[in-house]
Amino acid sequence: DAGVTQTPRHEVAEKGQTIILKCEPVSGHNDLFWYRQTKIQGLELLSYFRSKSLMEDGGAFKDRFKAEMLNSSFSTLKIQPTEPKDSAVYLCASSLLGEDTQYFGPGTRLLVL
Amino acid sequence: QQKVQQSPESLIVPEGAMTSLNCTFSDSASQYFAWYRQHSGKAPKALMSIFSNGEKEEGRFTIHLNKASLHFSLHIRDSQPSDSALYLCAVSIGNNRIFFGDGTQLVVKP
Repeated sequence: DAGVTQTPRHEVAEKGQTIILKCEPVSGHNDLFWYRQTKIQGLELLSYFRSKSLMEDGGAFKDRFKAEMLNSSFSTLKIQPTEPKDSAVYLCASSLLGEDTQYFGPGTRLLVL
Repeated sequence: QQKVQQSPESLIVPEGAMTSLNCTFSDSASQYFAWYRQHSGKAPKALMSIFSNGEKEEGRFTIHLNKASLHFSLHIRDSQPSDSALYLCAVSIGNNRIFFGDGTQLVVKP
């Protein structure tokens, strides 16, 4: 079974650009999570979907961050417009309903200049 | 909102030592308690989890859970350089929504 896949692995953007990150969860998993990870803030939840329905939208991130689940096996995270403070690793994770363990993708390392 | 705190923030131990990492949580209804390990440049990966009070051992790793004290810990026996990583504790009330701590950066020196 394939794990969680994320593309691209690295992204460099100019301030003000729009970028779209992609995630494919583990096949059959119902829950999908987007996190941002920095050394200072640690892991921060951006969005949480269950069976394509948005369950939680990280309050501080509503302004310029929008996650969508286009179908049960594909999700995107759009950041618009990007700012230098958005430089971080963006992680996608999925889990099976009824099992708390989350499986993480390799992440996308974003640098905003 | 669940609050999860880890200590220490960082730790350096010699190879072969016992390592102890701590995690406190705020919601007494929590049911899932886990440790995730993240090697540098890699994704976090679940290491082990526990659901009821007591301890659970898997190889060199042991989790202790004390729900009444809102505390659980990870102990690594005979620490190895390959154990060097960021360790994240994770707590959930059983609805798949996990709250993570900020992590303990462990370095095991040969």
